[in-house]
Amino acid sequence: KAGVTQTPRYLIKTRGQQVTLSCSPISGHRSVSWYQQTPGQGLQFLFEYFSETQRNKGNFPGRFSGRQFSNSRSEMNVSTLELGDSALYLCASSLGLRDTRGNTIYFGEGSWLTVV
Amino acid sequence: GQNIDQPTEMTATEGAIVQINCTYQTSGFNGLFWYQQHAGEAPTFLSYNVLDGLEEKGRFSSFLSRSKGYSYLLLKELQMKDSASYLCAVRNQAGTALIFGKGTTLSVSS
Repeated sequence: KAGVTQTPRYLIKTRGQQVTLSCSPISGHRSVSWYQQTPGQGLQFLFEYFSETQRNKGNFPGRFSGRQFSNSRSEMNVSTLELGDSALYLCASSLGLRDTRGNTIYFGEGSWLTVV
Repeated sequence: GQNIDQPTEMTATEGAIVQINCTYQTSGFNGLFWYQQHAGEAPTFLSYNVLDGLEEKGRFSSFLSRSKGYSYLLLKELQMKDSASYLCAVRNQAGTALIFGKGTTLSVSS
């Protein structure tokens, strides 16, 4: 079965612009979460969606937002881009059940964002 | 607070065995994951422990002690392709987020 698909893979934006990244989870997975990865901070949790509802949000400014659609696909948006937003943005999908035995989390290939 | 510690770097030779340790202090616990990440690529799932004990999967094994806040990833019969970053991550109590350590960069030499 298809894995987690993220688009676009690479993009370059200028400061002040906004960007939208897309993620299609594994078929049957209802939870989508987003992470930012930078060399200095490592992988940091942005937010998690389950059945179109945001269940959890990390410690990021309001410029970072997301949403999930009825087909479980998710988008994240970053407005007023700053140089420090340059990072690899990873999407992860899972069944999202609270009984977590066997509830493995799988990552997509990521979207490389460069802000100039 | 949330804290996950792993060694920054480790080196080993082909054919050897290496153990990567991870200690955690988190406000909740709902499972511990290990991922492998090659440079420029996405993390790949290796193992998941939610109960104490050892989980074995081919050349990779992972151990968990919840009372000690401790896990390790054991890699046997090391190959050059095992050179990568290994990430330890704890799932929060609600099961909605992973908290990651900074990762251990493993270099395997011939």
